[in-house]
Amino acid sequence: EAQVTQNPRYLITVTGKKLTVTCSQNMNHEYMSWYRQDPGLGLRQIYYSMNVEVTDKGDVPEGYKVSRKEKRNFPLILESPSPNQTSLYFCASRGIFMNTEAFFGQGTRLTVV
Amino acid sequence: GENVEQHPSTLSVQEGDSAVIKCTYSDSASNYFPWYKQELGKRPQLIIDIRSNVGEKKDQRIAVTLNKTAKHFSLHITETQPEDSAVYFCAAILSGGYQKVTFGTGTKLQVIP
Repeated sequence: EAQVTQNPRYLITVTGKKLTVTCSQNMNHEYMSWYRQDPGLGLRQIYYSMNVEVTDKGDVPEGYKVSRKEKRNFPLILESPSPNQTSLYFCASRGIFMNTEAFFGQGTRLTVV
Repeated sequence: GENVEQHPSTLSVQEGDSAVIKCTYSDSASNYFPWYKQELGKRPQLIIDIRSNVGEKKDQRIAVTLNKTAKHFSLHITETQPEDSAVYFCAAILSGGYQKVTFGTGTKLQVIP
């Protein structure tokens, strides 16, 4: 089954404690992205990757890091989380000939206290 | 960069009535406009899309219209049902290279039985 898998689904952490949200896709898609969803703001892109070792900033990259060492995986790293990073996060992937985000992960609800 | 405005932010309709959600975009180079549905607690799902060379597209009870001159596009849902209750996002895609997706802020649709 074609899918994008994120982990964990829910996470509560404290300010400053490094964390990683994993994302994996099994469709051999070239493009992967991270979004955060906040009430009234829609989905905003954090980072995206066009292929292995190729990543670039989206609209709200501050406070986040990503890596793409393998085509299937695209982890989101928060080196020093702060309360304003409390949000719902989605990973998405699409093939090179797809025009828009075609597959989203289940979402990760992050709370930073 | 592209900017997408979406209205209304909330919409309540009686079951069986029609619902219309409108979006405007800023960059005339955008040429692809998808719509997503996000049910409560779930991931966004692509439900319909339209390209800039088409004025209207229908799929059963949903339709999208595009006015390139005015730079706005709309989602029309006819004969609404309770299962249509969800948050709907429009998006605009800027052509060329990696096609960045800019999402609208979302419309929460409630269909009242």
